[in-house]
Amino acid sequence: GENVEQHPSTLSVQEGDSAVIKCTYSDSASNYFPWYKQELGKGPQLIIDIRSNVGEKKDQRIAVTLNKTAKHFSLHITETQPEDSAVYFCAATLWNTGFQKLVFGTGTRLLVSP
Amino acid sequence: GAGVSQSPRYKVAKRGQDVALRCDPISGHVSLFWYQQALGQGPEFLTYFQNEAQLDKSGLPSDRFFAERPEGSVSTLKIQRTQQEDSAVYLCASSLDSSTDTQYFGPGTRLTVL
Repeated sequence: GENVEQHPSTLSVQEGDSAVIKCTYSDSASNYFPWYKQELGKGPQLIIDIRSNVGEKKDQRIAVTLNKTAKHFSLHITETQPEDSAVYFCAATLWNTGFQKLVFGTGTRLLVSP
Repeated sequence: GAGVSQSPRYKVAKRGQDVALRCDPISGHVSLFWYQQALGQGPEFLTYFQNEAQLDKSGLPSDRFFAERPEGSVSTLKIQRTQQEDSAVYLCASSLDSSTDTQYFGPGTRLTVL
């Protein structure tokens, strides 16, 4: 089955800096890679996603890159703000199960200091 | 519009008690998922429904766990004879249909078994 590794587990940056979180996956058949933000006491919220036929996607301060050959994908947050502080999860999914079965990484706790 | 809702938000149970956790998906969403999130970990897949049909229950940890969605809308996750290792946050997610990637998560139910 699919296995997703995520690092770093914690990341501290100053406001205005960039933050990068990296994930690797094991199954080359995985074809959809969402990123979720989870704040304390809340459920995960989708912030950006990428499909296997695309190498990069950007949405304002957030971007995701995908390297299918190396089987890794990364989240890039620019101009970080204190409200970006949260736990971020990457995930990979397989379609061969007939539905999107999400396999999550272990999470990155991002702390943005003013 | 209304998102995924879950109730109760918090549940404390004594070891051996049965519990029932409820999920109200986004109206019209065909697909419904349950995940278990242990402290400091990413969510792990438990089971998947397409309308009222439970198509995958491979993630349920034991036969003490049972999920249903009798009318293809509200779902209930039941845990019988709770054990301390069942303590976790139980997340529900829904998506428009089986061909849609995006899963929308509820706030979760935090279960503590004493």
